[in-house]
Amino acid sequence: AQRVTQPEKLLSVFKGAPVELKCNYSYSGSPELFWYVQYSRQRLQLLLRHISRESIKGFTADLNKGETSFHLKKPFAQEEDSAMYYCALSGLVGNKLVFGAGTILRVKS
Amino acid sequence: NAGVTQTPKFQVLKTGQSMTLQCAQDMNHNSMYWYRQDPGMGLRLIYYSASEGTTDKGEVPNGYNVSRLNKREFSLRLESAAPSQTSVYFCASSDRGGAREQFFGPGTRLTVL
Repeated sequence: AQRVTQPEKLLSVFKGAPVELKCNYSYSGSPELFWYVQYSRQRLQLLLRHISRESIKGFTADLNKGETSFHLKKPFAQEEDSAMYYCALSGLVGNKLVFGAGTILRVKS
Repeated sequence: NAGVTQTPKFQVLKTGQSMTLQCAQDMNHNSMYWYRQDPGMGLRLIYYSASEGTTDKGEVPNGYNVSRLNKREFSLRLESAAPSQTSVYFCASSDRGGAREQFFGPGTRLTVL
């Protein structure tokens, strides 16, 4: 079965500190992984996808097939990074997404 | 472009009442989705439509029905609402095929008393 696990419900860090949001997945096929973000009072939007291998707003994520992980990292957190972050898995029929439970990131000044 | 729009934004129902959540997209996307968002559970797929004229069940379809009215519109119906259906409902759309980005609507907050 396809599953995405985000072990932390809440991650609280100080401004300027490094951030790592953890994501592990279970999928027998070739996974396509995404990070979506939901800022306060805004709709859910794509942050980045592993296939693009890009850095968005200073965030990066590397797919580690050996550890079945896709952790989201940023070297220096900013207050505007505070949001709900969802890791999601695709590669399924119909481009369906399986989401993790989400992690709230709070960046304190 | 408005992207993905949903109506209503808020709704309160009594147990047993019915209602339809409306969703429309103006991006000419083939695929559309309905999710529910519950604390501690993330987003779970209720139903999806890979293309106009087709619909399929997702992870949590019980108590819901959908209609893909045309390429733009995808509605979600609760025939007999239950308190367990209290949630935030999101509609999304995407192009067909591959690792396509899904675009989300603003959500509908539904409370069933």
